Amino acid sequence: ETGVTQSPTHLIKTRGQQVTLRCSSQSGHNTVSWYQQALGQGPQFIFQYYREEENGRGNFPPRFSGLQFPNYSSELNVNALELDDSALYLCASGTTSGAYNEQFFGPGTRLTVL
Amino acid sequence: QKEVEQNSGPLSVPEGAIASLNCTYSDRGSQSFFWYRQYSGKSPELIMFIYSNGDKEDGRFTAQLNKASQYVSLLIRDSQPSDSATYLCADSNYGGSQGNLIFGKGTKLSVKP
Repeated sequence: ETGVTQSPTHLIKTRGQQVTLRCSSQSGHNTVSWYQQALGQGPQFIFQYYREEENGRGNFPPRFSGLQFPNYSSELNVNALELDDSALYLCASGTTSGAYNEQFFGPGTRLTVL
Repeated sequence: QKEVEQNSGPLSVPEGAIASLNCTYSDRGSQSFFWYRQYSGKSPELIMFIYSNGDKEDGRFTAQLNKASQYVSLLIRDSQPSDSATYLCADSNYGGSQGNLIFGKGTKLSVKP
């Protein structure tokens, strides 16, 4: 167990809808990163938050957005859902005091878009 | 654009054998690398990281890094059926404002009793 929690576990939405996924970081960690993992692929970096601001972004459109709160919990919001957004969404927490960027994943949210 | 390449497998080894998982990376300046284990339907679990050339051992696991060849490997000694999982290699895009991991597609390992 990493101490990183995510909710919900599973979610089913229809195309065009909006979704919010939540993550609570491991105690003592101050960064949170979100990844999308499609079936049979490695996780793909969406963005990272540090000090409540976006601190780097992967190749994802603006309809993917996020927030980090003062208690280091985080949200991932996806607007105008598309069928290709169906994936496992992973939250990973880390710390800027670490030397090697170790990141620890939560259990993930499985999103299905119909 | 950094890339990490892994053979998707499946790699099948008998119980008790050594499993060898390999990974190559594109950025010669990369410094640290991670191995994650992912069981089917679960999230990735960090098992080792390595940042110096050579070997790093932790129990039955040995990570090897060769920066000249841009090659990372993971050896699992005395493989057990419980080691059957997908193993993900990741390069750390650390420095500046970025702190993300770049993953390969993973190698699926099957350990046969």
